[in-house]
Amino acid sequence: DSGVTQTPKHLITATGQRVTLRCSPRSGDLSVYWYQQSLDQGLQFLIQYYNGEERAKGNILERFSAQQFPDLHSELNLSSLELGDSALYFCASSPSPSYNSPLHFGNGTRLTVT
Amino acid sequence: ILNVEQSPQSLHVQEGDSTNFTCSFPSSNFYALHWYRWETAKSPEALFVMTLNGDEKKKGRISATLNTKEGYSYLYIKGSQPEDSATYLCASPGSNDYKLSFGAGTTVTVRA
Repeated sequence: DSGVTQTPKHLITATGQRVTLRCSPRSGDLSVYWYQQSLDQGLQFLIQYYNGEERAKGNILERFSAQQFPDLHSELNLSSLELGDSALYFCASSPSPSYNSPLHFGNGTRLTVT
Repeated sequence: ILNVEQSPQSLHVQEGDSTNFTCSFPSSNFYALHWYRWETAKSPEALFVMTLNGDEKKKGRISATLNTKEGYSYLYIKGSQPEDSATYLCASPGSNDYKLSFGAGTTVTVRA
């Protein structure tokens, strides 16, 4: 158990809808990262937060947004969903935003857009 | 986004045999190299983070080496066991931020 909690585990929704994925980092970790894994693609970095502030952004679509709250949990909001947004979304955390800190991953949220 | 490549894509190993596989990354502006193990139905688990040329790390029967000058890292599994069956991912940041670029992984299947 990595200590990172993601909810829900599975989500099935229709095109055009909006969903929110939630992540609670490992106790003591201040940095949260969101990754997307689509079919036949590797893990793609979406966005990183550290202690409530956005620190780095990847190829995150404008329809997607995220935030980290004062209690350090994070939410990833996906809107105007398209079929291509179906993927496994991982949250990870680390104590600091340093590139030499290992990431601790949650179990992921599998999103299916129909 | 950094181009991180792993080879082979998959390999099958007989129980008890040793194996190794490669992660390649651009050698310029190197910051760190991460290895993760991803078992089916679980989340990726950190194995090693290496930062120095010539680094060698070991965890049980798994070890890794790093050559930053030529841009590659090897992961070794000694005396493979069925529980070593997993996809092994490597990742590296392209700069001193945390945009880790992951390779596509090497899937190892250990046959009893």
